Amino acid sequence: GAVVSQHPSWVICKSGTSVKIECRSLDFQATTMFWYRQFPKQSLMLMATSNEGSKATYEQGVEKDKFLINHASLTLSTLTVTSAHPEDSSFYICSARVTGSVGEQFFGPGTRLTVL
Amino acid sequence: GEDVEQSLFLSVREGDSSVINCTYTDSSSTYLYWYKQEPGAGLQLLTYIFSNMDMKQDQRLTVLLNKKDKHLSLRIADTQTGDSAIYFCAESINFNKFYFGSGTKLNVKP
Repeated sequence: GAVVSQHPSWVICKSGTSVKIECRSLDFQATTMFWYRQFPKQSLMLMATSNEGSKATYEQGVEKDKFLINHASLTLSTLTVTSAHPEDSSFYICSARVTGSVGEQFFGPGTRLTVL
Repeated sequence: GEDVEQSLFLSVREGDSSVINCTYTDSSSTYLYWYKQEPGAGLQLLTYIFSNMDMKQDQRLTVLLNKKDKHLSLRIADTQTGDSAIYFCAESINFNKFYFGSGTKLNVKP
């Protein structure tokens, strides 16, 4: 089956620093990738839709200058949390949709971000 | 986003059947999905159903869709301890955005 990886799997950083999270589709091309945020014991909240070669589409209430998304190739999307603060601590999950598919998304294992 | 609702907890004994329920609000949903999340891990797609279907069976899993009532259920036959996890239902509209329920934590007692 299709595999999506994320790196790093967990990261601890100081307040004010920036953190980059990578999402890769390992065995398929993904024109579209999605970034979600999950708080403890809560559901996934869609943050943005990342399209290869174009600007990401952000959901209402998500600061695009805070969460920078770059989808430079058909197998890689990155999420950079800029000037991270403790309230940005969360579990970030990406998913990728196979190019030309009818909707199935494959999810990465998630990245646990802790901002001190 | 759209409202997708699930009950928060379900506890069953090993060997029994589990039924996890989900309701959604948007009648234009094209696909409805069930995902499984184990502690500290990402989401694993279990099964999905096209919105013009009533039922889909895949080994121990049976999905029932009542489109009139906007009700989706996942039945796990012969539930095992390894099935303990959080189960999310999700709907997609136009194959793009996914809206997830809050998740049902399934606890399987030996």
